[in-house]
Amino acid sequence: DAGITQSPRHKVTETGTPVTLRCHQTENHRYMYWYRQDPGHGLRLIHYSYGVKDTDKGEVSDGYSVSRSKTEDFLLTLESATSSQTSVYFCAISEAGTSADTQYFGPGTRLTVL
Amino acid sequence: RKEVEQDPGPFNVPEGATVAFNCTYSNSASQSFFWYRQDCRKEPKLLMSVYSSGNEDGRFTAQLNRASQYISLLIRDSKLSDSATYLCVVNNNAGNMLTFGGGTRLMVKP
Repeated sequence: DAGITQSPRHKVTETGTPVTLRCHQTENHRYMYWYRQDPGHGLRLIHYSYGVKDTDKGEVSDGYSVSRSKTEDFLLTLESATSSQTSVYFCAISEAGTSADTQYFGPGTRLTVL
Repeated sequence: RKEVEQDPGPFNVPEGATVAFNCTYSNSASQSFFWYRQDCRKEPKLLMSVYSSGNEDGRFTAQLNRASQYISLLIRDSKLSDSATYLCVVNNNAGNMLTFGGGTRLMVKP
């Protein structure tokens, strides 16, 4: 299995509070991604990074920000959590970022916003 | 219309059965295609890539039909351990931006 960890694995928070999720990899892969998975929608890309301090928006980026100050860490921040952000969040990594490149996923973080 | 569509199932099959899933995609410019497997409350894992010529990996066979824009996955001699959700995944551009279908749930019964 690829060396990807996510923290925390579970979190319950209240509407309006800031939340930061962490993704850590030991594979030295250049590309990192944040997805959310909701029933009926499949996985949807929130943000991705193609290098240290290089990030871009995905399909559902509103309400989320990211930062990547080191190759191994990719942080996802919900500045002011809303109930619609209750979801399972997966981090993924890939080596080359080409169309045929495999993405490897972390174990996920279950976030509940009350 | 969703970019990648799958029948959510569940497909309930007995052990040893052959089962097939289809997936359709809307973007004719899609370049790469994959099947991922996701166990309950776990992360998705790559099952196999899908090539234009079709490809096989043990009991699993994947086919791509570009003209009709659909991808298929065939599982022969189903095992209990095949029970999972199978995600159809498409890469739509030159970068590594994946679009996921909602998944098809398979339940293999003794």
